[in-house]
This record gives sequence, structure tokens and C-alpha cells, in this order.
Amino acid sequence: AQSVAQPEDQVNVAEGNPLTVKCTYSVSGNPYLFWYVQYPNRGLQFLLKYITGDNLVKGSYGFEAEFNKSQTSFHLKKPSALVSDSALYFCAVRDIDTGFQKLVFGTGTRLLVSP
Amino acid sequence: DAGVIQSPRHEVTEMGQEVTLRCKPISGHDYLFWYRQTMMRGLELLIYFNNNVPIDDSGMPEDRFSAKMPNASFSTLKIQPSEPRDSAVYFCASSLKRGFGDTQYFGPGTRLTVL
Repeated sequence: AQSVAQPEDQVNVAEGNPLTVKCTYSVSGNPYLFWYVQYPNRGLQFLLKYITGDNLVKGSYGFEAEFNKSQTSFHLKKPSALVSDSALYFCAVRDIDTGFQKLVFGTGTRLLVSP
Repeated sequence: DAGVIQSPRHEVTEMGQEVTLRCKPISGHDYLFWYRQTMMRGLELLIYFNNNVPIDDSGMPEDRFSAKMPNASFSTLKIQPSEPRDSAVYFCASSLKRGFGDTQYFGPGTRLTVL
């Protein structure tokens, strides 16, 4: 079965510092990975995805993610955090076992950026 | 495009009452998903449709839950009778099938409270 793990419930970072939100995956074939962000009282918003190609994927709002096959990781990064980046972040993997359209989501990581 | 539209945004009801949640997917999208989000269980896929046909309803918790998609622009999730443990945020999402990189776009959600 396909799965993702987000080992940190919460990440704290000061504004202006780089941030990393971790995600590791377990798949039986090629990984198709996604990052979503959820602001308070809002739905999930798509940030970026890895399908194939470059290991560094650039997305919305200045976020990027690094795909590492040897470490089975897909960490979300941003060079300089903003207070407005504070939100809940979800990593997801396409579930190729039960249907390519299904996504399996991680448990989420809350990012708190302090002024 | 207006994105995925859900109504109502908030619903408060009493145990035993029928609840109907509504969703309008992004025009042209051929997949529609219903999710439930709770603190305890995180984000759960309840059911998804392809071209208005239910494909996988294995996540529907009980017979009290039912979902329909009478046409390409409208879907409902019904709970009858509702129970306090159904209190959650319910999200609708849609996607367009193009390949492994299909992205799901989420609506703002309906916050359901069952008293």
C-alpha cells in the first residue's frame, strides 16, 4: 500500500529563516507526490507536485520541494518564512493500488512562523 | 473559474435530523471526491465519482451516509439520521483526468456540528 509519513506534528520557525516540513513516502512503484496547504477555516490548496523529472520542484507562494529517491523523502522547503505561511501542511501520494485518482494524505504538520 | 463550491459553509443540527451537503465541482472536471476531516482521524476519503458514477465508496462509514451525483455539476452527501460523531468538516474536491499528475482541487468545506 502507498503511504506517506509526516514525522513532525508542528514546526516552529522565525520569520525570515528557512523552513522545512518533512515527508517520507512508501510506494510499490513510481511515486507521485503532492503538497497541500490548509489555512484556518479554508479548504486544502495545492502547492506543488512531483511526477517525474527534476528532483527540485517549484510551487506556489515561493515553496519548493526536494524529491530524494534514496531517502524516500519529499520535504517541503522555503528559503525565507513569512508569518502568513503559518498553516497546516499535508503531504500526499497517489494511491496506484486502488485507483490512480485516489490520494493518500499524511497526518499534517502545523507550521508556526513567529514574527 | 470560481473553483469548487460547497454549501452550506456551516451546518448545525440536532441528532437524528437529516443533513444534506452540496457540492459544485469545477466545470469540465470528471472526478469528484468527498472527504471528511476530524482531529482524531485526519482527512478521510469517503467516496469518489467518475463521470457521475460512484467508483469507490469504501470510505463511507455507515449506511446512514449516502452520496449522489445526478449530473456533472452537482453532488450531494446526505447523512440520515445524523449523530454527534458525524461532526466534522466535509470537503468536496474535483479533478480532471489527464494522467499521473492529476491535481485535486478542494472546496472551502462544510463544518457540520451535530448536537
